[in-house]
This record gives sequence, structure tokens and C-alpha cells, in this order.
Amino acid sequence: KQEVTQIPAALSVPEGENLVLNCSFTDSAIYNLQWFRQDPGKGLTSLLLIQSSQREQTSGRLNASLDKSSGRSTLYIAASQPGDSATYLCAVRPSSNTGKLIFGQGTTLQVKP
Amino acid sequence: DAGITQSPRHKVTETGTPVTLRCHQTENHRYMYWYRQDPGHGLRLIHYSYGVKDTDKGEVSDGYSVSRSKTEDFLLTLESATSSQTSVYFCAISEGDRAYNEQFFGPGTRLTVL
Repeated sequence: KQEVTQIPAALSVPEGENLVLNCSFTDSAIYNLQWFRQDPGKGLTSLLLIQSSQREQTSGRLNASLDKSSGRSTLYIAASQPGDSATYLCAVRPSSNTGKLIFGQGTTLQVKP
Repeated sequence: DAGITQSPRHKVTETGTPVTLRCHQTENHRYMYWYRQDPGHGLRLIHYSYGVKDTDKGEVSDGYSVSRSKTEDFLLTLESATSSQTSVYFCAISEGDRAYNEQFFGPGTRLTVL
């Protein structure tokens, strides 16, 4: 059974710091992986979708990497800002014939001014 | 936001009553999903739809039913609500007509069953 883990559960950093959020999964047979952001009391906002054939995907100050063979993905946030404070979720898609996503529990990030 | 709305946004109901949550999308996406989000469990798939009148179960489908009579609407029904169904419910779509495309979420419905 596929399990997705995000460690740490919470992270606090000063503004301007570069940071890395981690996501690990137990079964390397995934089709793609998606990173989301969730603000308190809100829905999920898609940040990046990275295909299993890709190593990296970038959007603005965000860079997601994927190492499928080791079951790991990272989300790199450059020059963090207080507005980046949110919970970050990663989710894996097991195969191409399903839309089902298996989610990690998330990392709650606080960026202090 | 991929044109996804959910109604109601908040609901308080009593144990044993039926409840229907609505998800509406404006862009004719083929695949739609219902998830629930709970502390300690994260997001879990309840049911999904791959077209009009085509639905299937997710990992936590007991106590829930769904219907999709039109492309734009996906309904989640709790036939007889229980306190364990107190949760935040999210609807989602896969962009376009491929299940594996990027998934986008609605704003959520907070349901409290007393």
C-alpha cells in the first residue's frame, strides 16, 4: 500500500531564508506527483505537477524535484516571504488510469518577518 | 480556481438526517472527485466520477453515495449522517479529459453532524 510521508510536520523560518520541504513515498511506481498549498480554512491550491519522467519542475520561486527510484520529492522555496506561510501537501498519483491522489499529512510552514 | 464551486460552504445537521453536498464546475472537465479532510488522516478519496452517470468508490466510501446526471454537477449524499462524518469535504477535478492531469480543488464544505 502506498504511503506518503512529509517531515517535518511544522517548520518555522525567518523571512528571506531558502528552504526545502520533504516528501517521501513507499512505492516508487508512481505516474506523477503534485504539490499543493493550503491556507487555513481554505481549499488546496495546486503549485506544481511533476511527471515521473521529470527530475525537476519550476514555477517562480518554487522548484520541485523528484527522485522516483528513492521515493523522494522536495519542494524548494527561494527567498521565503511571510505570505508563503501555509500548509504544503504533496500527493502521488499511482498510475495513469486513475485520478486518485494519495496525500501526505503536510508540512505547516511559518515564515516570520 | 478552475471554476469549481461547492454548496453549501457550511452546514450543521443532526445525526440520522440526510445531507447532500453539491459540486459545480463550469469547464466541462470529465473527472470529478470527492475527498474528505480530517486531522490525523489528511485527505482521503470518497468517490469519483469519470463521466455522466459513471462513478466509482474511493477508499472511504462507506456511508456515502454520489450522482452525476450532468457534466457540471457532482453530488455527494450522506444518506443518514453520523458524527464520524463531521469533516471538511472537498470537490476536485482533473483538468481536461485525462485522469492523470493536474488536479484542482474547490473551496470546501465544512460539515458538522451533532
